Amino acid sequence: DTAVSQTPKYLVTQMGNDKSIKCEQNLGHDTMYWYKQDSKKFLKIMFSYNNKELIINETVPNRFSPKSPDKAHLNLHINSLELGDSAVYFCASSQAIAGAYNEQFFGPGTRLTVL
Amino acid sequence: KQEVTQIPAALSVPEGENLVLNCSFTDSAIYNLQWFRQDPGKGLTSLLLIQSSQREQTSGRLNASLDKSSGRSTLYIAASQPGDSATYLCAVRYGNNRLAFGKGNQVVVIP
Repeated sequence: DTAVSQTPKYLVTQMGNDKSIKCEQNLGHDTMYWYKQDSKKFLKIMFSYNNKELIINETVPNRFSPKSPDKAHLNLHINSLELGDSAVYFCASSQAIAGAYNEQFFGPGTRLTVL
Repeated sequence: KQEVTQIPAALSVPEGENLVLNCSFTDSAIYNLQWFRQDPGKGLTSLLLIQSSQREQTSGRLNASLDKSSGRSTLYIAASQPGDSATYLCAVRYGNNRLAFGKGNQVVVIP
């Protein structure tokens, strides 16, 4: 039923580990995003894919690597986790129409805690 | 720099009062503006989307206006209810497909 889903919902791990977060959307959208919401609740875009092609890559450490196996999935892999990576990560999707990217729909978020 | 500011950061109102939430943005070359609601520990729920060519959008008790030239949007919530308690986020989409978010208006409606 859920339009944009993410797994896991919670992720607690040790510093230095490698982890992945998965995102799937069943809305038929062609564009997907990853956002990070820090402890001050500020949301900032990290990556965006359109039809499996990377179109936005903000200033994010290269320890973060997005992968889009198909239009409905966008995964986020994080290497060598650091304390500062602790945050809530949101996946979102939208449909590009006539070159414009419309309403974005968000997943429930993944709360990552690095110890 | 494309900055989005939301004022006030937090407010409390008694049930039944109208809510007025303000969003301002520095770069007026926007494609559209979207208002979201976020409940504690939850994701974002889209409330209203206003295209750059539109002046307002309405959905039930919610009305959002857009004044591109002055870089402002206002979200009105009529006859507030305790269930309206949440954080409301304004997000502005620019031509590079980036969605720039404000830090939110945290609303508490007191029964």
